[in-house]
Amino acid sequence: DTEVTQTPKHLVMGMTNKKSLKCEQHMGHRAMYWYKQKAKKPPELMFVYSYEKLSINESVPSRFSPECPNSSLLNLHLHALQPEDSALYLCASSQEMQEKPQHFGDGTRLSIL
Amino acid sequence: QKEVEQNSGPLSVPEGAIASLNCTYSDRVSQSFFWYRQYSGKSPELIMSIYSNGDKEDGRFTAQLNKASQYVSLLIRDSQPSDSATYLCAVPITSGTYKYIFGTGTRLKVLA
Repeated sequence: DTEVTQTPKHLVMGMTNKKSLKCEQHMGHRAMYWYKQKAKKPPELMFVYSYEKLSINESVPSRFSPECPNSSLLNLHLHALQPEDSALYLCASSQEMQEKPQHFGDGTRLSIL
Repeated sequence: QKEVEQNSGPLSVPEGAIASLNCTYSDRVSQSFFWYRQYSGKSPELIMSIYSNGDKEDGRFTAQLNKASQYVSLLIRDSQPSDSATYLCAVPITSGTYKYIFGTGTRLKVLA
């Protein structure tokens, strides 16, 4: 079991659907992250929230929209996704954004039909 | 040059041997370095952090850092078949826009 909880574990959606991925941590960490990982590739950072302030990887398309309701919750809203968006989506948290190790949730495996 | 580089492997070692995994990085001002283990279909699991030059030991794992050579390594002693996984090196880049860069990972196979 991990201390970063992600739901759902699996998600299949059509290209016209809207869905959300959820992430929660109870470690008192002040930074949370979303990553995308394709098969046999390393995780790629999509978004960072630190003290509820957002930093964005400029290459992430606008069909992905993060939301941070509070310091322990992080959502990723999905809309009009493409088949190439099928991947493992990982949430992580760390004490601070700078120079600290990140702890990952189990991930959500997303398939776009 | 990639920001964080690893040999993708696979690296095959017999059970009980020492597995040596290497990582080089390009940002000279990087101060912290992390090793993660990822089993197939699972999420990355932090196994070692290292911040200072030299060696850091934790059980069967030893991380080695040489900032002058921009090189960090992970040694796994007495390798077990359960150590078979992909090992990812990660380096935060804090100059400019924040990035947390993973190497491509080295796939380790421990042969029973």
